[in-house]
Amino acid sequence: QKEVEQDPGPLSVPEGAIVSLNCTYSNSAFQYFMWYRQYSRKGPELLMYTYSSGNKEDGRFTAQVDKSSKYISLFIRDSQPSDSATYLCAMIKGDKIIFGKGTRLHILP
Amino acid sequence: GAVVSQHPSWVICKSGTSVKIECRSLDFQATTMFWYRQFPKQSLMLMATSNEGSKATYEQGVEKDKFLINHASLTLSTLTVTSAHPEDSSFYICSASTLAGDEQFFGPGTRLTVL
Repeated sequence: QKEVEQDPGPLSVPEGAIVSLNCTYSNSAFQYFMWYRQYSRKGPELLMYTYSSGNKEDGRFTAQVDKSSKYISLFIRDSQPSDSATYLCAMIKGDKIIFGKGTRLHILP
Repeated sequence: GAVVSQHPSWVICKSGTSVKIECRSLDFQATTMFWYRQFPKQSLMLMATSNEGSKATYEQGVEKDKFLINHASLTLSTLTVTSAHPEDSSFYICSASTLAGDEQFFGPGTRLTVL
């Protein structure tokens, strides 16, 4: 079993819809959880950073961590075509940062 | 499949020394490899893109003489931080993509600490 699992998609949703992106992980030693957005040929941009269970909100983005289920989510409200990108989850334990494979998201105008 | 490894995972060195970091694709051929830096709680910063057998393309502001990249084979790229200084302390992360280029696979990162 991989340490971090993420559905690669692609995920297509209409503009204005709520998007839900998810990752599961197997190791309870993960301490920090991040979501990145990556546009084509660009480096991943950090969107959200959290270390505790619960929700963290920033504008249209909400990150949710459920440590008991080893499950993290990123919600995007009022999705826009500019949100079309690859979204990567990542987790840190000790010296390692483990990335999910990324989910390709397409917002349809 | 699609595993990328980095070695070492953590290195501590004295100021002025050079450090080599290896990035390997274990079960696929990586025509393109990317090198990133990450400072705490910041975005990954793309440093350079390297294609097997050709010179790396560096992002603006990245000193090519300080960060030497060699992509000698389809499974191995190396980043050498020359004359390292404390401000070079960071997470260095590589990723690799195949010829199709539709997915990037990230390595686990190398934490460099320069004393």
